[in-house]
Amino acid sequence: GAGVSQSPSNKVTEKGKDVELRCDPISGHTALYWYRQSLGQGLEFLIYFQGNSAPDKSGLPSDRFSAERTGGSVSTLTIQRTQQEDSAVYLCASSPRRAGGRETQYFGPGTRLLVL
Amino acid sequence: TQLLEQSPQFLSIQEGENLTVYCNSSSVFSSLQWYRQEPGEGPVLLVTVVTGGEVKKLKRLTFQFGDARKDSSLHITAAQPGDTGLYLCAGGRNSGYSTLTFGKGTMLLVSP
Repeated sequence: GAGVSQSPSNKVTEKGKDVELRCDPISGHTALYWYRQSLGQGLEFLIYFQGNSAPDKSGLPSDRFSAERTGGSVSTLTIQRTQQEDSAVYLCASSPRRAGGRETQYFGPGTRLLVL
Repeated sequence: TQLLEQSPQFLSIQEGENLTVYCNSSSVFSSLQWYRQEPGEGPVLLVTVVTGGEVKKLKRLTFQFGDARKDSSLHITAAQPGDTGLYLCAGGRNSGYSTLTFGKGTMLLVSP
């Protein structure tokens, strides 16, 4: 079946503009995660959804970052007033059940964001 | 705070060589996962280890979870160019829900 998809694949924006990144998880997966990957920094956890609720949003770096999930499926990560330090690859992952140490997370290919 | 330290950060070897990469922490994890990420793609799970001292083999890859569940290693025998990629370890805990903590990764380059 289809894997996790993300759009756009690449996004170039100007400092101060808002951007929206989309994630379509694997159908039926209840858990959804957003990560940020910067050069040399590994995967930085941003937010976790269980269904449409976000029990863990502790990784969002500032109030410029927000995310929502609707219908237990598609999720959108929004970055307002983008800054150059927001440039990174934003990865989305999903898993069949609630987050747990033994759950397999299935990752999308990521959105490469460049803020000029 | 970086809870999982991976070493080396970068490794460049010739085809046919053996190598070991490490994932260390001062914290105890209930499980440890290894992912491989190729350029332009998301990470893909290789293995999950859950028992202290556990060893799992996946073809030429051998994964070990430390007895105290604080560290793990990945050994590759006779590396191939297809093994090139970023290897990430991720620790998990099983209390309530638990999101994974990722290390920064080891970038492996295997040249023909």
